[in-house]
Amino acid sequence: DAGVIQSPRHEVTEMGQEVTLRCKPISGHNSLFWYRQTMMRGLELLIYFNNNVPIDDSGMPEDRFSAKMPNASFSTLKIQPSEPRDSAVYFCASSKVRERKQFFGPGTRLTVL
Amino acid sequence: AQSVSQHNHHVILSEAASLELGCNYSYGGTVNLFWYVQYPGQHLQLLLKYFSGDPLVKGIKGFEAEFIKSKFSFNLRKPSVQWSDTAEYFCAVNGGNTDKLIFGTGTRLQVFP
Repeated sequence: DAGVIQSPRHEVTEMGQEVTLRCKPISGHNSLFWYRQTMMRGLELLIYFNNNVPIDDSGMPEDRFSAKMPNASFSTLKIQPSEPRDSAVYFCASSKVRERKQFFGPGTRLTVL
Repeated sequence: AQSVSQHNHHVILSEAASLELGCNYSYGGTVNLFWYVQYPGQHLQLLLKYFSGDPLVKGIKGFEAEFIKSKFSFNLRKPSVQWSDTAEYFCAVNGGNTDKLIFGTGTRLQVFP
């Protein structure tokens, strides 16, 4: 069984550029979560979807961040324009709705210069 | 609002020592509790979870945790640690009618041979 798949695994970009992170949840899972992990703030939930619908985006830091889930097998997290303080590891996780056991992907390490 | 506190930020042990990592949460209703582990350079993996029933929960790799409702605690224990247990450990809580997990800031465990 493939786990949660994230791409790219590493991204280095310059301030002001657009960054798109991608996630493919586990087949059959209908909840998807985006997290950000930094040394200073730990693991923060940015947004989550149930059945492709955004349920809670209160963790999205500002308007530069946006997330979409056009279908059950794909989600994107976009940062435009990127800033150095966005440097972090971004994790995607999936679960079955109400099952509450989340499976994490390997993460995307983003560095904004 | 739900919150999770992990008071031990960094724990250093020798192999075969016993381990107990503290986790306290704040939420007045029914909760689901989790411990995740993140090995160096890897993604989060579920160690164990508590939903209901026996408050002593056994997980993978010899870990266990005890839910003490009166203390709002869910401490993680292992009687004898190994070098391979070196990792970061995260406690998480989920409560109410939401699928969100609220994570603690993590405890870094270093085990020396």
